[in-house]
Amino acid sequence: DTGVSQDPRHKITKRGQNVTFRCDPISEHNRLYWYRQTLGQGPEFLTYFQNEAQLEKSRLLSDRFSAERPKGSFSTLEIQRTEQGDSAMYLCASSYNRGLTDTQYFGPGTRLTVL
Amino acid sequence: SQKIEQNSEALNIQEGKTATLTCNYTNYSPAYLQWYRQDPGRGPVFLLLIRENEKEKRKERLKVTFDTTLKQSLFHITASQPADSATYLCALDSDGGTYKYIFGTGTRLKVLA
Repeated sequence: DTGVSQDPRHKITKRGQNVTFRCDPISEHNRLYWYRQTLGQGPEFLTYFQNEAQLEKSRLLSDRFSAERPKGSFSTLEIQRTEQGDSAMYLCASSYNRGLTDTQYFGPGTRLTVL
Repeated sequence: SQKIEQNSEALNIQEGKTATLTCNYTNYSPAYLQWYRQDPGRGPVFLLLIRENEKEKRKERLKVTFDTTLKQSLFHITASQPADSATYLCALDSDGGTYKYIFGTGTRLKVLA
C-alpha cells in the first residue's frame, strides 16, 4: 500500500534561501492539498488542486509561496526568500472525489527549520 | 470570524473509561465534519466523517455526534486503551463544498494504564 509520500522529511535552511518540497499522492487520487502546521496548532490550509488545476489558495499563501501540480500527479511547494516564521511542518494530503465528501490521506510531512 | 474550538488542555483518563472530546464551531455551515488522529511527528489519520443530516456515526469503539443547532460535535472513545493516546483533530469544510478545510487545534488525549 503506497500512501502519500513527501520529500524531504526534514529541511534546515538559512533565512533568505529558497526551498522546494515534493509530494507524491496516492496514485488514483485527483485532489491534492497542502497544509502548514506549527506546534500546538491544527493544520492550516494553504492550497488545493483538482488534477492539475489549483482551485483554492489561502491568504496565508503569500507571494513567496507557490505550488504546482504538473500533469495532475506529484506536486511541489516552493518557498522563496524564507523567513524564520516559515518554520513549520508542511503537510500534503490527497483524496479521491466521491461526490460531496472528501476523505484526506496525509503524508508524513516535511519539517522546515529556518535559521 | 470563523472559529473552531477544541479542548485546548490535555485530557487524561483511566484505561477502560470513555473519553469524550468536544469540537465547537462558529460562523460556519459545514456540510460535514471529520475527526482525525495525529501522533507526534506524523501526519493526521482520518477516523470518521459525519454529514450535517446525520446525528450519530459509529466505528468500532468510536462514536461521533453532530448537532448543527448547537454547532457542536462530540467524539467518544469507549473502553479506552493506552494506544488511543494521541491528539485528536476535528475538521470542517469551511463553506459547504469548497474543499477548503479548517482544522481545530486538537485535543491531546492520554489514556493512563
